[in-house]
Amino acid sequence: EVQLVESGGVVVQPGGSLRLSCAASGFTFDDYTMHWVRQAPGKGLEWVSLISWDGDSTDYTDSVKGRFTISRDNSKNSLFLQMNSLRTEDTALYYCASSRWGYFEYWGQGTLVTVSS
Amino acid sequence: DIVMTQSPDSLAVSLGERATINCKSSQSVLYSSNNKNYLTWYQQKPGQPPKLLIYWASTRESGVPDRFSGSGSGTDFTLTISSLQAEDVAVYYCQQYYYTPFTFGPGTKVDIK
Repeated sequence: EVQLVESGGVVVQPGGSLRLSCAASGFTFDDYTMHWVRQAPGKGLEWVSLISWDGDSTDYTDSVKGRFTISRDNSKNSLFLQMNSLRTEDTALYYCASSRWGYFEYWGQGTLVTVSS
Repeated sequence: DIVMTQSPDSLAVSLGERATINCKSSQSVLYSSNNKNYLTWYQQKPGQPPKLLIYWASTRESGVPDRFSGSGSGTDFTLTISSLQAEDVAVYYCQQYYYTPFTFGPGTKVDIK
């Protein structure tokens, strides 16, 4: 059974930092591009970042460029998102998701990040 | 960036009736070299992550009931639920994966009338 389990979401003050993790199982992790997608409370879906299967290629939505860093450890079937200089508008449920062709085949349950003073 | 729009924002359909959701992209998501539309549909029920329904605009994901179908090409797409069931109450999103940033439509909420 495919599983993606996110962790690391907490309440953090504006300007703070946070590292999210996503543990993958049930599929060949290094066959897949991995993504972070977020959803603000009561709002729609927003793609945040991707990392290629080998970690050599990354991409970000403009609003997080220079603040967030995506990484992966294929030896541990894990995906990460380092989030710095957090803003209130980063408050959201963060999902990790996997893809081979760009559409998101598998999704985790999400981890909630709240940026508030 | 490719802007995705959906219509209607919400709709209520009687059980067993057809539900139709439209999605439009601000530029074509049809890749000419392989003649594929880089357009997908997701279903999201309350408290759950999105679930993949349709990819390449019209290919149904394994296990998705055949009452769900996708159509369209270029910039205009449609998700159809041929006979609405109670378990289909959800928000439906289209998304383009033609190039980054991957973008989603704002969602269409489907309810029972």
